[in-house]
Amino acid sequence: GNSVTQMEGPVTLSEEAFLTINCTYTATGYPSLFWYVQYPGEGLQLLLKATKADDKGSNKGFEATYRKETTSFHLEKGSVQVSDSAVYFCALSEGQAGTALIFGKGTTLSVSS
Amino acid sequence: EAEVAQSPRYKITEKSQAVAFWCDPISGHATLYWYRQILGQGPELLVQFQDESVVDDSQLPKDRFSAERLKGVDSTLKIQPAELGDSAMYLCASSLGLAGITDTQYFGPGTRLTVL
Repeated sequence: GNSVTQMEGPVTLSEEAFLTINCTYTATGYPSLFWYVQYPGEGLQLLLKATKADDKGSNKGFEATYRKETTSFHLEKGSVQVSDSAVYFCALSEGQAGTALIFGKGTTLSVSS
Repeated sequence: EAEVAQSPRYKITEKSQAVAFWCDPISGHATLYWYRQILGQGPELLVQFQDESVVDDSQLPKDRFSAERLKGVDSTLKIQPAELGDSAMYLCASSLGLAGITDTQYFGPGTRLTVL
């Protein structure tokens, strides 16, 4: 079945460091890919998405490129801030309307000043 | 900005008691999802509605869990009786559910359930 694998956390960085969180997926079709972020005590917020191969999603300085050949959707940010500290979830859906998301286990990011 | 509403935010109950969670999706969203998120894990789907109809409840423990969306708007998830292993965050999400477009799900703040 479909699945998402994320790198294990926690990831601890200093402010202004470069961030990469790896995400790979297994899917039978051509899924849409998402990154969600969960700040402490809050629900999930959509960070960015990509719907087809080679698409790049971007938001708030974060970006991720849908790589079909490597079945990956790695999250990157050039310079992290303390306010980026949160749990990041990679997810996929088969792309059709009304399809439930399949999530990875999440990666905790902690940024110190 | 429209948001998904959930209540209560926190619930503490004893095992064998009944609990209920409520969700009000974004207006106009036809698809509604209930997910369960165990601490340290990603959310997993419990049940999915399209309007008032259940689309997928294959992962819902039907011996103790029930869900309804009677008028195709707000929804209630019930657990009876609660067990220790039900302690988790229960997340509601909604999406437009229109065919032919990539559907983005919007999540509520969740209900954190603790079963003692």
